[in-house]
Amino acid sequence: DQQVKQNSPSLSVQEGRISILNCDYTNSMFDYFLWYKKYPAEGPTFLISISSIKDKNEDGRFTVFLNKSAKHLSLHIVPSQPGDSAVYFCAASARYGNKLVFGAGTILRVKS
Amino acid sequence: DSGVTQTPKHLITATGQRVTLRCSPRSGDLSVYWYQQSLDQGLQFLIHYYNGEERAKGNILERFSAQQFPDLHSELNLSSLELGDSALYFCASSVDPEVRTGNTIYFGEGSWLTVV
Repeated sequence: DQQVKQNSPSLSVQEGRISILNCDYTNSMFDYFLWYKKYPAEGPTFLISISSIKDKNEDGRFTVFLNKSAKHLSLHIVPSQPGDSAVYFCAASARYGNKLVFGAGTILRVKS
Repeated sequence: DSGVTQTPKHLITATGQRVTLRCSPRSGDLSVYWYQQSLDQGLQFLIHYYNGEERAKGNILERFSAQQFPDLHSELNLSSLELGDSALYFCASSVDPEVRTGNTIYFGEGSWLTVV
């Protein structure tokens, strides 16, 4: 069963515009959410996270929004840059969980 | 560089064979996680060790096994390999035994396994 879903396999955005990547989850026990970025031939790298007690967390050009009632989170990248082109994975963990559960990933292409 | 080291980076082997993937966690990290990424799939959790003990098991086949040694490095053993086992296998590490708010897990570059 897919507890974390990223329904958009790919997204294409013009440089300088906003990129919005979406993620839905089904497990109401999840209370910690993370986004990872992955370039080809590299391992995933941590980007930003949010706890379930918050609805927004910002780090530079990256902002993650959490809507607990909808079991939905999104990653906003503003402004998008060509170097942001990568696969973005959404991940979640339950309280005192022993693992991160990942979505299938979304390929972001930022066109210059 | 995440500090997590995985070897080998690439491996081609035949069906029915056995391989061992090795992972050295970041210095000071006691937790090691193994994930599998197949084509068009997300990262599938396989198993988690903390300080030598198994903490959680995911979708790991019975043909697969893992262990964490006293020096904290970990090995993932894949046996009776099938074509469908071809995938990218990631190791990740962290300090804590659990994934807590505020911490994260750090991934290695992965081991590409091709079964022919």
